[in-house]
Amino acid sequence: AAGVIQSPRHLIKEKRETATLKCYPIPRHDTVYWYQQGPGQDPQFLISFYEKMQSDKGSIPDRFSAQQFSDYHSELNMSSLELGDSALYFCASSLGTRRNEAFFGQGTRLTVV
Amino acid sequence: GQNIDQPTEMTATEGAIVQINCTYQTSGFNGLFWYQQHAGEAPTFLSYNVLDGLEEKGRFSSFLSRSKGYSYLLLKELQMKDSASYLCAVRSILTGGGNKLTFGTGTQLKVEL
Repeated sequence: AAGVIQSPRHLIKEKRETATLKCYPIPRHDTVYWYQQGPGQDPQFLISFYEKMQSDKGSIPDRFSAQQFSDYHSELNMSSLELGDSALYFCASSLGTRRNEAFFGQGTRLTVV
Repeated sequence: GQNIDQPTEMTATEGAIVQINCTYQTSGFNGLFWYQQHAGEAPTFLSYNVLDGLEEKGRFSSFLSRSKGYSYLLLKELQMKDSASYLCAVRSILTGGGNKLTFGTGTQLKVEL
């Protein structure tokens, strides 16, 4: 069965650079979540989309933005990168309000040097 | 807002039973999930509760009491590979559509011989 695909799996950027993370949800899933997880920390909610519209916003810095496209894939854009942005970024998708769980992608490990 | 509490760490013996508790406060409750996460990997789904009671799935069981804002994950016949972080996540309905999925801080379980 198809899973949530994230790309790239690993990314190394320098301070003040820009990064774009991509997420391809499971087909027919209408909800996408983005999470940031630092070492030894729980996943921190950044932003979510429902039917291509932003549905909720968490602790996402103003330097970050995200969108969901017509084919339901989502991109997280990160600008003016800081050392503290180094983390695992997970994308998860689910089917609206139904009982299905949120399925997670394998994550993108971003290292800012 | 949401508030989800779990113990930070637990230690148990191989072959034993361990119970990981989770308490939460939220509005628009629409289900509670338990995920297992090994270091550097994506969270993987373990169980889901939306109604009060016990859900059993092999060696794992999860219980929910909505009136008390309380859940637990029960792991039986512990194996060394069960050493991981266990995340309690609460889903709530957003008034504008879609869902919010918020994670607790996670419980780091260490299984010893």
